[in-house]
Amino acid sequence: EAGVAQSPRYKIIEKRQSVAFWCNPISGHATLYWYQQILGQGPKLLIQFQNNGVVDDSQLPKDRFSAERLKGVDSTLKIQPAKLEDSAVYLCASSLVVAQPQHFGDGTRLSIL
Amino acid sequence: AQTVTQSQPEMSVQEAETVTLSCTYDTSESNYYLFWYKQPPSRQMILVIRQEAYKQQNATENRFSVNFQKAAKSFSLKISDSQLGDTAMYFCASSQGAQKLVFGQGTRLTINP
Repeated sequence: EAGVAQSPRYKIIEKRQSVAFWCNPISGHATLYWYQQILGQGPKLLIQFQNNGVVDDSQLPKDRFSAERLKGVDSTLKIQPAKLEDSAVYLCASSLVVAQPQHFGDGTRLSIL
Repeated sequence: AQTVTQSQPEMSVQEAETVTLSCTYDTSESNYYLFWYKQPPSRQMILVIRQEAYKQQNATENRFSVNFQKAAKSFSLKISDSQLGDTAMYFCASSQGAQKLVFGQGTRLTINP
């Protein structure tokens, strides 16, 4: 089966610009996650979707970050405006149902200048 | 709140040796899962092994096994007959009620030829 697809693989922007990341989960996976992984740290959950509804967004900086999962399949994570501290790898993961192991994509490495 | 601690930032062993990575966690829940993920330079998080907290038997997957000490809240990973391809960052993670993953800081493992 095809894995979790993410794009772009790399992105470089200047602070205060906006950026968007795209994720296509494994077919049929109802649960989708976005994680932020700052260099030298473990990933931290930003937002969790169950189909197209938000389950947990408690650690999402809502003043600048937004995410959507239209039609319960693909998802987009946006940052506007970006700050220097947003430099990180953004990982998308999906699972068949909440209780099943998560499968991760290759991530998007974001660099803020 | 869940916390996961990995006290070994880096480890290095010779090929074919056995290595054990340490992890401790804290949770107030009775129903939880524990995981070890591997992250090579390609950035994709790969599930190595999974343990359900209600199961007393330690999980094993080929050369990978865990030592799950529930009372001590300890969850170590043993890699037997280590191979060059095992070189990667290893993250311990917990999932409370099968919801979001909480990751430790990671251990960088290097297998030397």
